[in-house]
Parts: sequence; C-alpha cells; structure tokens
Amino acid sequence: AQRVTQPEKLLSVFKGAPVELKCNYSYSGSPELFWYVQYSRQRLQLLLRHISRESIKGFTADLNKGETSFHLKKPFAQEEDSAMYYCALSASTGFQKLVFGTGTRLLVSP
Amino acid sequence: SAVISQKPSRDICQRGTSLTIQCQVDSQVTMMFWYRQQPGQSLTLIATANQGSEATYESGFVIDKFPISRPNLTFSTLTVSNMSPEDSSIYLCSATNSGSREKLFFGSGTQLSVL
Repeated sequence: AQRVTQPEKLLSVFKGAPVELKCNYSYSGSPELFWYVQYSRQRLQLLLRHISRESIKGFTADLNKGETSFHLKKPFAQEEDSAMYYCALSASTGFQKLVFGTGTRLLVSP
Repeated sequence: SAVISQKPSRDICQRGTSLTIQCQVDSQVTMMFWYRQQPGQSLTLIATANQGSEATYESGFVIDKFPISRPNLTFSTLTVSNMSPEDSSIYLCSATNSGSREKLFFGSGTQLSVL
C-alpha cells in the first residue's frame, strides 16, 4: 500500500533560519512525489513536483529512493512561508490518485 | 490555470439528511476528483468523477453513500447521503488538465458539520 509520512505536525523557526520539512513514503514502484502548500485562507496549491526539479519560492526537494524520502528544504525561511505543507505521492504518471501525508504546519517568526 | 468554484463553502446539516456539493471549473479539464479531509487528518481520495459514466470509487467509499455526477467536462457534484456526525469533514473538489504543465487544481473546499 502507498503511504506518506510527515512526522512533524508543527515546525517553528525564526526568519532567516534553514527549513527542512520531512516526508517519507512507502511504495514498491517508482512514485511521483509532490509538495502542496496551503496559505492562510487560501486553497491548496502545488508547490513543486520532483520530476520538474524546479526551485519554487526558494524551496527545493530531492527524491531519495534509497531512503524513500522527499524532504522539502529552504536555506533561509521568510515569514510569508508560514503555511501548511503537504507531501503527496502518485503511483502513476501525473496526478491520478494522490496519497497525501498529514501535513506539517510551518511557522516562521520574525 | 484552472479556477475551481465549489459551493456551498460550508453547511451545518442534520443527521439523516443529504447534501449535494457542486464543483464548477472555468475550463475543460481531463480529470476531476473528490477528496475528504477529516478533522486532524490528511486528504483522502473518495473517487474519480468520470464524464458521462459512473465514478470510480476508492476503497472504503461506495456510490450509495457518496453518489457523484459529472455531466460534462467542467462540472461535477458530490452528494453526502444519510449523513451522520462522522461525515463532518472538509470536502474538496480537484481537477487536472492536460498539457505541458499538467497541474492538479483544488477548490476552496466545503466545510460540512453534521449535528
């Protein structure tokens, strides 16, 4: 069965500090991994997906198949990064049947 | 990008009644999905809404409880039938379009409380 684990419910950092939001997955095949973000009073939106290898808003995430991880990182956190972050997995190409983690709330303090 | 309008945004319902949630996309999309997010939990896929045919339900979800319609490429409804307090959740519509930057878009959600 596919599963996504985000071990931290809340991550609190100061502005300018590095951020790492952890995501581990279990899936026997080759998954596609995604990070979604939900800012206060906004809808859920895609932040990045591993196959595009993009850096969005300074965030990056590398798929580590050996450790089955897809941690989200940013070297210097900003207050506007405060949001709920969800890691998600798709067992097939594209966005079919996404399995989401429970989410991590990032709080960046001034 | 696609903009998804979902309504109602919230509702408080009595046990045993049914609620239909509407999802309208401003452009034609290839696939539409319905998710549920129970309090303190993650998003769980309920079903894929298929245009012109029966929805494809995930394990643990059945058509009698969550009938879904998708009469065209831009509109879908989810009905939560014979509601109980355990159905209190956020229900989210999502859709994806094909193209060079295929993306999954989400509606703003329906906050349902069942008394």
